[in-house]
Amino acid sequence: EPEVTQTPSHQVTQMGQEVILRCVPISNHLYFYWYRQILGQKVEFLVSFYNNEISEKSEIFDDQFSVERPDGSNFTLKIRSTKLEDSAMYFCASVGPGSNTGELFFGEGSRLTVL
Amino acid sequence: QKEVEQDPGPLSVPEGAIVSLNCTYSNSAFQYFMWYRQYSRKGPELLMYTYSSGNKEDGRFTAQVDKSSKYISLFIRDSQPSDSATYLCAALNQAGTALIFGKGTTLSVSS
Repeated sequence: EPEVTQTPSHQVTQMGQEVILRCVPISNHLYFYWYRQILGQKVEFLVSFYNNEISEKSEIFDDQFSVERPDGSNFTLKIRSTKLEDSAMYFCASVGPGSNTGELFFGEGSRLTVL
Repeated sequence: QKEVEQDPGPLSVPEGAIVSLNCTYSNSAFQYFMWYRQYSRKGPELLMYTYSSGNKEDGRFTAQVDKSSKYISLFIRDSQPSDSATYLCAALNQAGTALIFGKGTTLSVSS
């Protein structure tokens, strides 16, 4: 069964460092998302991406965040200068053709710990 | 007012029990509602979705939406230990562009 894959599974970084989280969405999917889940909190929408550009972003997704699809398979989330409060599980997700935005396929997540 | 509210539990039931998981939402414009299951240290997995009011059944799972009371429910019949997970309700935002999740209810089914 096709799946969304994410790397790394866990990254520990120092405050102020740049982090790149990587995702390989399901191959025929066209809409891509990043969500995050701070420990004990709700899963929160960060950004959606379609046709090589951001289609929507939440207020969490400030100038420190960026997304990119550098080639035909990878979808990355970059945090430029990490803060302690960026510590969370980051989930990549994608939606298949003909499905609505709520029918997300999530990856297993990348746990980011900022010290 | 928070948009999707869910009692985090935990909820513990014996194997074979009927489980009822519930959420409320605040925005009457929401039309699509989803239930995701999340096992420990895994990503959420879509279980079911419903559009507007009514019921939807899939095997042992039934999703129900009551738009008049802004209430979302998931019923699990004949619960199994493998159903032990966190169940997240979600609503598609008004623009249809992103999901708004509840906090999740942690369910434990003992054999």
